[in-house]
Amino acid sequence: EAGVTQFPSHSVIEKGQTVTLRCDPISGHDNLYWYRRVMGKEIKFLLHFVKESKQDESGMPNNRFLAERTGGTYSTLKVQPAELEDSGVYFCASSRDRGPETQYFGPGTRLLVL
Amino acid sequence: RKEVEQDPGPFNVPEGATVAFNCTYSNSASQSFFWYRQDCRKEPKLLMSVYSSGNEDGRFTAQLNRASQYISLLIRDSKLSDSATYLCVVGRGGFKTIFGAGTRLFVKA
Repeated sequence: EAGVTQFPSHSVIEKGQTVTLRCDPISGHDNLYWYRRVMGKEIKFLLHFVKESKQDESGMPNNRFLAERTGGTYSTLKVQPAELEDSGVYFCASSRDRGPETQYFGPGTRLLVL
Repeated sequence: RKEVEQDPGPFNVPEGATVAFNCTYSNSASQSFFWYRQDCRKEPKLLMSVYSSGNEDGRFTAQLNRASQYISLLIRDSKLSDSATYLCVVGRGGFKTIFGAGTRLFVKA
């Protein structure tokens, strides 16, 4: 079974630019999550999709972040415009069932905003 | 105060040692508890779920004390391959999970 994949693996952009991160969950997993780890901090929940619907986006830091999951398959997370403090590692995870114990994480996208 | 607190370490132990990690959580409504392992520059991977009755998986034992809001992980007979960051993770119910900052472990030959 293929795991969760994320693209790109690394991104370096300048402040004010736009970046779009992509996550492809494990096939058949209706639940998709985005997390972020900024330098020196813990991993923080951003949001959760069930199929194409946002179930919980309480962790989204501000309106510069937009997540979509059209069609309920892959998801994108757009940061526009990017700020220096957005630098970090963005993880995506997916699960078939309810409950965090069934989550599988992707390898992450390392974002550096200069 | 962080919702999930862990000793950041690092813990430096020799092979074969027993090492214990502690974690406390502040939200008494938390419903599920986990230990994840994260290798350097890799994604977190579930190590084990933690139950009130305690659970064991080989050299790893996890305990939960709901009254004290405390979670522990014990690693016996440490191996070099156990070197990693161990993340305490708490579920609030539903899908939202709160991660601790992690405890780094270095096992040396």
